[in-house]
Amino acid sequence: EVQLVESGGGLVQPGGSLRLSCVASGFTFNNYWMSWVRQAPGKGLEWVANIKQDGSETYYVDSVKGRFTISRDNARKSVYLQMDSLRSEDTAMYFCARDHMRDWGQGTLVTVSS
Amino acid sequence: DVVMTQSPLSLPVTLGQPASISCRSSQSLVHSDGNTYLNWFQQRPGQSPRRLIYLVSNRDSGVPDRFSGSGSGTDFTLKISRVEAEDVGSYYCMQGTQWPPYTFGQGTRLEIK
Repeated sequence: EVQLVESGGGLVQPGGSLRLSCVASGFTFNNYWMSWVRQAPGKGLEWVANIKQDGSETYYVDSVKGRFTISRDNARKSVYLQMDSLRSEDTAMYFCARDHMRDWGQGTLVTVSS
Repeated sequence: DVVMTQSPLSLPVTLGQPASISCRSSQSLVHSDGNTYLNWFQQRPGQSPRRLIYLVSNRDSGVPDRFSGSGSGTDFTLKISRVEAEDVGSYYCMQGTQWPPYTFGQGTRLEIK
C-alpha cells in the first residue's frame, strides 16, 4: 500500500521559514516524480513544485519561485519543501503527491501569521 | 498557463440520480505523444484528494464504475451514473499536458439535495 506521510507544518511569522518533509513507503520511491500541492483554507488545489526521480530537474509555480526549494533523499525515501520568506498567502494545507498526483498524503498545515 | 474552467461550481443532486461536471481547458490538452493528460479528483470533506480518472477516461483502482470520464481536446466531462451519499465532496479536474505548472479547475461541490 502506498503511503505518504507529511510533517513539519506549523505557525510561522511572515518572513519566516519552514521545512516540510514527506516520507514515502509502499513503492519504489526513486522511480517516481514527486510533487507538493497546496490548498488554502476553503479554497481549491494549487500545484506548488515537483522534482524528478534523481533530483536533476525541479519546477515551481511562479508565486513561489525564488522562495521555495524542493529536494529529495532517495535513500531516506523522502521529499522536502524548504519554504523561505513566507507570506500570509502561503497559508495552506500542503500535500505531498506521487507521480503527477496519482497518490496523496494526508497533508500538513502551514499558517503564516503574526 | 492552461486555465481550467469547471461548471457548475455547486451541484445539488438527489440520491440515486445522475450528476455531470464539465471541465474546459483554455488550450488543447492533446500532448505531442498523442495522450491527453486530463485527470479528475475527488475530495471528501476533511480528506485528502483522491484521483478517480486519468487520461480522460481511465478509472483508478477501486473507483466504482458509476464514475466515468469522457471528452477530448478542450472539453471534458465527469459523470456519476447514480449518486450515493459517499460521493459528497468536491471534484477537481487537472491538466498534466502542458506543465509546469499543472493546473486545476476551481472545483465543483457536490451535495445531496
